[in-house]
Amino acid sequence: KQEVTQIPAALSVPEGENLVLNCSFTDSAIYNLQWFRQDPGKGLTSLLLIQSSQREQTSGRLNASLDKSSGRSTLYIAASQPGDSATYLCAVREGNQGGKLIFGQGTELSVKP
Amino acid sequence: EADIYQTPRYLVIGTGKKITLECSQTMGHDKMYWYQQDPGMELHLIHYSYGVNSTEKGDLSSESTVSRIRTEHFPLTLESARPSHTSQYLCASSEGVTGLIANYGYTFGSGTRLTVV
Repeated sequence: KQEVTQIPAALSVPEGENLVLNCSFTDSAIYNLQWFRQDPGKGLTSLLLIQSSQREQTSGRLNASLDKSSGRSTLYIAASQPGDSATYLCAVREGNQGGKLIFGQGTELSVKP
Repeated sequence: EADIYQTPRYLVIGTGKKITLECSQTMGHDKMYWYQQDPGMELHLIHYSYGVNSTEKGDLSSESTVSRIRTEHFPLTLESARPSHTSQYLCASSEGVTGLIANYGYTFGSGTRLTVV
């Protein structure tokens, strides 16, 4: 059974700092991996999608990497801003069951001004 | 812009009432999903559909039911609401998997926050 783990569970940094969020998964047979952002009480906003054949994706200050063989992904946020404060969720899309998304527990990020 | 819509955004309802949470998407996605999320907790899949007239239960047992009569519409119904159903319900959709490649990620709605009193 696929399990997704995110470390750390919570992170507090000063504004302007570069930071890395980690995600690991137990079964490397994935179709893709997706990073989401969730603000308190809101839905999920997709940040980056990495196909299983890709190594990284970039969008603005965000860069996500994928090492499928080792079951790891990282989300790099450059020059963090208070507006980046949210919970960041990593999710892998299974293949053998037709594409269900399995979520990690999330990393709660707080960027202090 | 939102291509998947959930209504209502917030709902407070009394115990024993029947409720339907609406979810519609305009992307023509064949796969749709319902997730339940308690405050500060993980998302759990409670229902999914791979197309019209296809519905399956997810990983987390739920007393709710779903239907998929039209591609764009995937409503969730609670026949008799209880306080234990208080939670946030998130709807999502995705493109199907063709061959060995899934080219699209999931798109989520804004959620319905349900409170049963």
